[in-house]
Amino acid sequence: EDQVTQSPEALRLQEGESSSLNCSYTVSGLRGLFWYRQDPGKGPEFLFTLYSAGEEKEKERLKATLTKKESFLHITAPKPEDSATYLCAVHLGGDKIIFGKGTRLHILP
Amino acid sequence: NAGVMQNPRHLVRRRGQEARLRCSPMKGHSHVYWYRQLPEEGLKFMVYLQKENIIDESGMPKERFSAEFPKEGPSILRIQQVVRGDSAAYFCASSPAVGSGQPQHFGDGTRLSIL
Repeated sequence: EDQVTQSPEALRLQEGESSSLNCSYTVSGLRGLFWYRQDPGKGPEFLFTLYSAGEEKEKERLKATLTKKESFLHITAPKPEDSATYLCAVHLGGDKIIFGKGTRLHILP
Repeated sequence: NAGVMQNPRHLVRRRGQEARLRCSPMKGHSHVYWYRQLPEEGLKFMVYLQKENIIDESGMPKERFSAEFPKEGPSILRIQQVVRGDSAAYFCASSPAVGSGQPQHFGDGTRLSIL
């Protein structure tokens, strides 16, 4: 069964304390992997698409990487405004996209 | 704002009533997806539509739920005879084309509360 698992479920960091969020997947036929950010009361906001193992994408304090079995979202020197839930989604081809449950990130000032 | 527009943002219904949720996709997008999200849960796919066609409704309950995307106007997710368990946030997403690896872009959702 196709599955996407994100860890940890929740993460509290001090401002400036770098860390990584994990998204592991067991799917047949990965077409792409998406990272989204979701703030309370809002819809997911698209961050990155990764298509193949070894690919990396960066945006401000965030960097996403992809291997054959997992993706990491690295956050460097985070600020309180980076607090949000980060969602990983796997595109299986056609219209099939499976979301993980997300990691709730809280950055303390 | 050229993003995905959903309305209403909040909807309260009593058990047995009907709920209608509307979604206008981003300009230039012809593919619409509906998801349901419960607290502490991930987004669960419900249905995928193109103009005037339901492409995949494998995630949508067979009873009481229906969706449409007419030639003119927004996509509608309709829930008949609502029950308490229908309380959730319902999100709509759109994309320009399927199979191209393009990401889906989301609206801010409709929060449905059943009294």
